[in-house]
Amino acid sequence: GAVVSQHPSWVICKSGTSVKIECRSLDFQATTMFWYRQFPKQSLMLMATSNEGSKATYEQGVEKDKFLINHASLTLSTLTVTSAHPEDSSFYICSALGLAGGGETQYFGPGTRLLVL
Amino acid sequence: ILNVEQSPQSLHVQEGDSTNFTCSFPSSNFYALHWYRWETAKSPEALFVMTLNGDEKKKGRISATLNTKEGYSYLYIKGSQPEDSATYLCAFGAAGNKLTFGGGTRVLVKP
Repeated sequence: GAVVSQHPSWVICKSGTSVKIECRSLDFQATTMFWYRQFPKQSLMLMATSNEGSKATYEQGVEKDKFLINHASLTLSTLTVTSAHPEDSSFYICSALGLAGGGETQYFGPGTRLLVL
Repeated sequence: ILNVEQSPQSLHVQEGDSTNFTCSFPSSNFYALHWYRWETAKSPEALFVMTLNGDEKKKGRISATLNTKEGYSYLYIKGSQPEDSATYLCAFGAAGNKLTFGGGTRVLVKP
């Protein structure tokens, strides 16, 4: 149980295009999902918290107009990188909040590697 | 900015040996400490969620302890096997279920 999928697993795009990444909880419902990114040799960094049916909450320094998040259902959140530029090249990974022994925990997707040329 | 540190960054372990590594985190405003195992090209796998000082959790040959007063957690692997090779991440859980991750400890178990 508690499987999260992410699509696509990797994408290469030209500078200026927009890229949409999907995050799905396959066998549970998640009112809260999270989006992270990881630059080479760095830790996973939280970008935003996505709540079903409401606006996402962005971490300091993350541009909400550049990284559009939509959490339209209890099993799907999407992250759109608008007008992507080479500096947006990174590893993006989502998680969905679920229950585990001892409390709530985040279940992660496998991530999406984005390369902007 | 929360400071969550893991050490060592990497370690090599001989198959059959036991090992352990550390996660240090702020001792104030503690909610939870999470451990994940992350194998290459897979999703990070949740290992433990620890909330109480003195907590000890076990899953097979892997166990973890928690000291919230001094701000550290240990992860132990007993009798390491090649399939234990992975990056182990700890994450400090704050209000709103937000996680701040450490840099990870990469474990390589050599046959």
